[in-house]
Amino acid sequence: QKEVEQNSGPLSVPEGAIASLNCTYSDRGSQSFFWYRQYSGKSPELIMSIYSNGDKEDGRFTAQLNKASQYVSLLIRDSQPSDSATYLCAVNVGGGADGLTFGKGTHLIIQP
Amino acid sequence: DVKVTQSSRYLVKRTGEKVFLECVQDMDHENMFWYRQDPGLGLRLIYFSYDVKMKEKGDIPEGYSVSREKKERFSLILESASTNQTSMYLCASSLFRDSRHNSPLHFGNGTRLTVT
Repeated sequence: QKEVEQNSGPLSVPEGAIASLNCTYSDRGSQSFFWYRQYSGKSPELIMSIYSNGDKEDGRFTAQLNKASQYVSLLIRDSQPSDSATYLCAVNVGGGADGLTFGKGTHLIIQP
Repeated sequence: DVKVTQSSRYLVKRTGEKVFLECVQDMDHENMFWYRQDPGLGLRLIYFSYDVKMKEKGDIPEGYSVSREKKERFSLILESASTNQTSMYLCASSLFRDSRHNSPLHFGNGTRLTVT
């Protein structure tokens, strides 16, 4: 069974703080991991991709991957109200290249 | 920038109608995908294609078919629309696939289909 799990939230974080979003996946064979941001009524837009264990930083965003524990996380530093959105974790569950399996998303609210 | 264009933003159809959703990408990507997104169920893969005239079933292909006659175009077909196919439909493309890794998906703006 393909499973990508996220806490649905809402996750409320004060402006300027660090937002931490987590995702777990079921299959140890998974190799490709992505974070997408989706505003209400809009399509998902790619924030980060990560393929190897460890941290990957891009501006205010850091993706963290731990394949042994089967989790991937996204940290947003200096959170802004414009970061309020639903964040989707996507995984090529099973390691195949045949599309991504998405979590149901975490709704993040940044409080001014 | 990758551009994935879906032909309609909103569509209203009657039960039993044949419905075509069109998607075009302009970056010569190999792979194209159709997802639907529903509240509480998230994004679910309907069909995908990694080459012209190739198609593969995703997780929920029932009631749908697809066509990929040209590399840049991927069409989703609802042979006989039903009310449970009311949803947001998202087309996506990606550059490559190998035996282990995926390149990121780039999404179109979505088509909100209502079947009455």
